[in-house]
Amino acid sequence: AQSVTQLDSHVSVSEGTPVLLRCNYSSSYSPSLFWYVQHPNKGLQLLLKYTSAATLVKGINGFEAEFKKSETSFHLTKPSAHMSDAAEYFCVQSSGGYQKVTFGTGTKLQVIP
Amino acid sequence: GAGVSQSPSNKVTEKGKDVELRCDPISGHTALYWYRQSLGQGLEFLIYFQGNSAPDKSGLPSDRFSAERTGGSVSTLTIQRTQQEDSAVYLCASSLVPGELFFGEGSRLTVL
Repeated sequence: AQSVTQLDSHVSVSEGTPVLLRCNYSSSYSPSLFWYVQHPNKGLQLLLKYTSAATLVKGINGFEAEFKKSETSFHLTKPSAHMSDAAEYFCVQSSGGYQKVTFGTGTKLQVIP
Repeated sequence: GAGVSQSPSNKVTEKGKDVELRCDPISGHTALYWYRQSLGQGLEFLIYFQGNSAPDKSGLPSDRFSAERTGGSVSTLTIQRTQQEDSAVYLCASSLVPGELFFGEGSRLTVL
């Protein structure tokens, strides 16, 4: 069974410093990988997706993620955190079609002024 | 609107009552998902619909939970004889590309 592991449940950074949210996936097949963001009391919004094209994927709001097959990782980064980035972030894997969509447990990002 | 619409946005009910939550997906999206998000928890998969195929009900927590999707569009999640542990935000998502889900803003259910 496929699984997605988000290594940190909470991450705290100062405004203007880099953000790193870690995600490891496990799959027998070439996966599609996604990051979603959920702001308080809102639904989830797609940040970016990897679907076997370029390994470095750019998303909205300055976020990027790099697919590393050798490490089975898909970490989310941003060079400089903004207060509006405070939210919960979910790493998601899809393999084998619509049905196999697996969510990580989420990482709450706190941005300190 | 162009997004996924859920109603009601908030529902307060008494223990033992039945509730219905509605999801109106993006037009043309063939896949529809229901998830539950309890306070401080991640997303719990409930049920998945894909076209005319039989739904995947493997995530429904008990037989008090059921869902249907009429005409491949609107879906209703029904919870019978609600319990306090059913209190959560119920999220609906629709999809046209595997893994690329568009979420509604959720229905917050509070069972007193």
